[in-house]
Amino acid sequence: DAKTTQPTSMDCAEGRAANLPCNHSTISGNEYVYWYRQIHSQGPQYIIHGLKNNETNEMASLIITEDRKSSTLILPHATLRDTAVYYCIVVSGTSYGKLTFGQGTILTVHP
Amino acid sequence: NAGVTQTPKFRVLKTGQSMTLLCAQDMNHEYMYWYRQDPGMGLRLIHYSVGEGTTAKGEVPDGYNVSRLKKQNFLLGLESAAPSQTSVYFCASSYSGRVLVETQYFGPGTRLLVL
Repeated sequence: DAKTTQPTSMDCAEGRAANLPCNHSTISGNEYVYWYRQIHSQGPQYIIHGLKNNETNEMASLIITEDRKSSTLILPHATLRDTAVYYCIVVSGTSYGKLTFGQGTILTVHP
Repeated sequence: NAGVTQTPKFRVLKTGQSMTLLCAQDMNHEYMYWYRQDPGMGLRLIHYSVGEGTTAKGEVPDGYNVSRLKKQNFLLGLESAAPSQTSVYFCASSYSGRVLVETQYFGPGTRLLVL
């Protein structure tokens, strides 16, 4: 699976959009980009995933660049409850679902 | 629909003691996983199962055993606990149908302290 690079930490004001970048320059054509988050002391929570096209669900939007070498997770209206560690993970879809969690980005939403 | 549940929530063991962590899911998922998370680190996969009666090693399997006798349950065993196994253990499950197996649902975690 391709390696990902994320900023260590980011801040965001409550009510504003939070844009979390992820670099995956070695991604292969059949690999998906997944985003999970982990709120303090809780189990990770699935947010969204995509292959080529931009995706949106009730939690977030995922923007994948045309060359697929990077992506951005967008939380449109961040709240204090969105403070968490956000993990960007690239998976091949053929590894029996094994997820490799890196260090992630610590997002802190301020009042 | 409880999702993924883990038992116990917290446990203290002495070095050399044994214990079993139980994971249960009510979503009829085929795949189940055990991860551990140490302070300041991401999750690491211990063992996983792609179906009832099957198990496989993950990234850090040493010192652990698992069993999947029933589809809804995935047990993680520590035969002789060591302080290095002090960690938070997370169980997850996913479905191998039209939904990608990487879309995993996690339990609340079991905090284990080995003295």
